[in-house]
Amino acid sequence: AQSVTQPDIHITVSEGASLELRCNYSYGATPYLFWYVQSPGQGLQLLLKYFSGDTLVQGIKGFEAEFKRSQSSFNLRKPSVHWSDAAEYFCAVAPGNTGGGNKLTFGTGTQLKVEL
Amino acid sequence: DGGITQSPKYLFRKEGQNVTLSCEQNLNHDAMYWYRQDPGQGLRLIYYSQIVNDFQKGDIAEGYSVSREKKESFPLTVTSAQKNPTAFYLCASSPNQGLYNSPLHFGNGTRLTVT
Repeated sequence: AQSVTQPDIHITVSEGASLELRCNYSYGATPYLFWYVQSPGQGLQLLLKYFSGDTLVQGIKGFEAEFKRSQSSFNLRKPSVHWSDAAEYFCAVAPGNTGGGNKLTFGTGTQLKVEL
Repeated sequence: DGGITQSPKYLFRKEGQNVTLSCEQNLNHDAMYWYRQDPGQGLRLIYYSQIVNDFQKGDIAEGYSVSREKKESFPLTVTSAQKNPTAFYLCASSPNQGLYNSPLHFGNGTRLTVT
């Protein structure tokens, strides 16, 4: 079974600083990888996804993530954080060889605080 | 605009009562899902349905029940058998019967408190 680890529970950055949120996954083959963002009391919104091809993927709101197979990682980055980026971020993994059914496994989330 | 509607946003119940959470989507998506979110535990899958009149247990189905009589509706019943029902419940949907290249669309959740 697949699993996801987000080692940082909380991260605080200053507005305008760069950001990197870590995600490590465990899966025997090439997985499908996702990053979602959740504002307080809201549902989750997809930021970006990786299925195959270019290992650097671009998402919405200026976010990007890089798939590194050798490190089993899919870290999320943003060059300059805005105060509105304060939220909880979830990494998720799904098997790449499924016959159907979207059974994502989510990490436990990283809470991002942005200092003005 | 298309989307997923979960109602109510907040729900309070006494222990021992069953309660049903509503989830309606107008995205014409085949697949629908229920997740439970607890602080520090991420999201855990309760039930999912790839097509009408069919559904499958997720990782934590005990104490929950669902139905999928219509494509746009996937209600979740939290029964009295669920030992720790207080949580934030999220409904989601995806097209193409939920194949992995179809990302999930989420509702805004229902916060259930049982005392």
